[in-house]
Amino acid sequence: AQTVTQSQPEMSVQEAETVTLSCTYDTSESNYYLFWYKQPPSRQMILVIRQEAYKQQNATENRFSVNFQKAAKSFSLKISDSQLGDTAMYFCAFRGGTYKYIFGTGTRLKVLA
Amino acid sequence: ETGVTQTPRHLVMGMTNKKSLKCEQHLGHNAMYWYKQSAKKPLELMFVYNFKEQTENNSVPSRFSPECPNSSHLFLHLHTLQPEDSALYLCASSQERSGSNQPQHFGDGTRLSIL
Repeated sequence: AQTVTQSQPEMSVQEAETVTLSCTYDTSESNYYLFWYKQPPSRQMILVIRQEAYKQQNATENRFSVNFQKAAKSFSLKISDSQLGDTAMYFCAFRGGTYKYIFGTGTRLKVLA
Repeated sequence: ETGVTQTPRHLVMGMTNKKSLKCEQHLGHNAMYWYKQSAKKPLELMFVYNFKEQTENNSVPSRFSPECPNSSHLFLHLHTLQPEDSALYLCASSQERSGSNQPQHFGDGTRLSIL
């Protein structure tokens, strides 16, 4: 069975600094997709970034980038130039060949002014 | 109008009540999902519908009954719930096709409290 682990329940970062959120997963599938979602206090979960397992190049979306290590089954999220609006819960998610998305327990990130 | 709309936003009910949660998606997606979000636990997938057909039921108690009349609407009927069912219930939709990396789009959720 697939599992997703986020080992950092809470993190904080100073505004304009860089922070990295960790995520590891376990799967026997070779083709899958990984996602980072953000859930601000207003609750709506939105996609931050996605990565296809067959792509070696790390995905980047503006200030957000990932470090995808397929052999290590690691998928960390780096937020550069942190902004107050980045304060949220961040969820790592795995999707294999079915409709099943497996989510981690989340990391609560607080950006400090 | 937002892509995925859930009503109500908040619901308080007694254990003997019957209520329903509603989800509507305006994105033309073919798959819809119900999740349960509890504090300090991963999102729990409850039900998946693809083209109105239920494809996943993750051992959810029968006091939760889903209904998907069409690909745009999803309901979760609640009956004789327990206090441990208090949680945020999230609806999501996605466009599913083979080899797709399409993400899910979520609603704001319904905060359910069981007295």
